[in-house]
Amino acid sequence: DVKVTQSSRYLVKRTGEKVFLECVQDMDHENMFWYRQDPGLGLRLIYFSYDVKMKEKGDIPEGYSVSREKKERFSLILESASTNQTSMYLCASSGQGFGETQYFGPGTRLLVL
Amino acid sequence: GENVEQHPSTLSVQEGDSAVIKCTYSDSASNYFPWYKQELGKRPQLIIDIRSNVGEKKDQRIAVTLNKTAKHFSLHITETQPEDSAVYFCAQSNYQLIWGAGTKLIIKP
Repeated sequence: DVKVTQSSRYLVKRTGEKVFLECVQDMDHENMFWYRQDPGLGLRLIYFSYDVKMKEKGDIPEGYSVSREKKERFSLILESASTNQTSMYLCASSGQGFGETQYFGPGTRLLVL
Repeated sequence: GENVEQHPSTLSVQEGDSAVIKCTYSDSASNYFPWYKQELGKRPQLIIDIRSNVGEKKDQRIAVTLNKTAKHFSLHITETQPEDSAVYFCAQSNYQLIWGAGTKLIIKP
């Protein structure tokens, strides 16, 4: 059974703080993704990675960076959190082939005050 | 750019009736169309998908139809039950998934 875990379910941070969100998958998946989910806007891709140390920008990368030092772990970094980054953050992973299912983590609800 | 339009944003149906959610896309090269279900407070999960070489696929009470000429695909749920209440997302891909905005399905008892 695929397992994708995220480091926190809920986080409260102050404006200007550096925030780390971690995602770990146990299925040896090549692809990993970070999404942001806001009501009425669906799932918006922030960054994705198709291999260790590789990353590509998604639709809304501004204000975010990522790190993938190990295959199983993909981190999302908010260098200086702002109130408009208050959101639900979902991590996902998938195999390398075309049309592979994305498996999601439980999400991290981030509140920036 | 590529996008997926999903309608309606909210759908309320009587338990036992059918529900249909439609998505239209712009990229004619798209050839993979999954549907994900997200129950309240839970993570999205794949429920059904279709590839461009078929027009319809069924799995028990759910089915997906694809019209490549018109660039739209639909999710059909028959004999709806309370556990069908969720947000449903369509997506399309020829390389990277492009997501619809989601449909909140409410099943009225």
